[in-house]
Amino acid sequence: EADIYQTPRYLVIGTGKKITLECSQTMGHDKMYWYQQDPGMELHLIHYSYGVNSTEKGDLSSESTVSRIRTEHFPLTLESARPSHTSQYLCASSVHKADDTQYFGPGTRLTVL
Amino acid sequence: RKEVEQDPGPFNVPEGATVAFNCTYSNSASQSFFWYRQDCRKEPKLLMSVYSSGNEDGRFTAQLNRASQYISLLIRDSKLSDSATYLCVVTERTGGFKTIFGAGTRLFVKA
Repeated sequence: EADIYQTPRYLVIGTGKKITLECSQTMGHDKMYWYQQDPGMELHLIHYSYGVNSTEKGDLSSESTVSRIRTEHFPLTLESARPSHTSQYLCASSVHKADDTQYFGPGTRLTVL
Repeated sequence: RKEVEQDPGPFNVPEGATVAFNCTYSNSASQSFFWYRQDCRKEPKLLMSVYSSGNEDGRFTAQLNRASQYISLLIRDSKLSDSATYLCVVTERTGGFKTIFGAGTRLFVKA
């Protein structure tokens, strides 16, 4: 079982609110990722990090931002939530090498009203 | 053209059937290959890595053909519990390492 955690698991919030989705892993992994996935659709990489103080944008443009101040923690923030942000957000981590098995957290299902 | 392409599915098969999924990748320099499984409304989980020599884990067999840039997953004697989406995953070396997930192929196994 992977030691990667996401909170909250479910979030229903009104338009315009600022939200932070938490992701923590206890495996000491250098690489961490955020994916966005709508029901029945494919994963889209929105942010990733190679390590502390490293953050990069993924393939899908996102209005969210991320930070990596500690190895184990990779929070994602939306300054002003909108209904178009409604989706599932999955956090993952991996060791930074070629055999790049990613371990996923359980996800946060976000609904913006 | 997508970097990783999978059979669109869905596959609807009876219990006990053998089913094969195909995946192609565009970057000939890709280094590592995996199959992940994602259950409905759950996170993806590693099913198995794929090696050039092929590998087998119980009812599951994965094969890699580097010349054709093609990966396959074979499931024998399908169970109801095999119903899920199967994701083909490829890692490329591009400065660092970049992991690309396919869109997935959904499998429904029916009694």
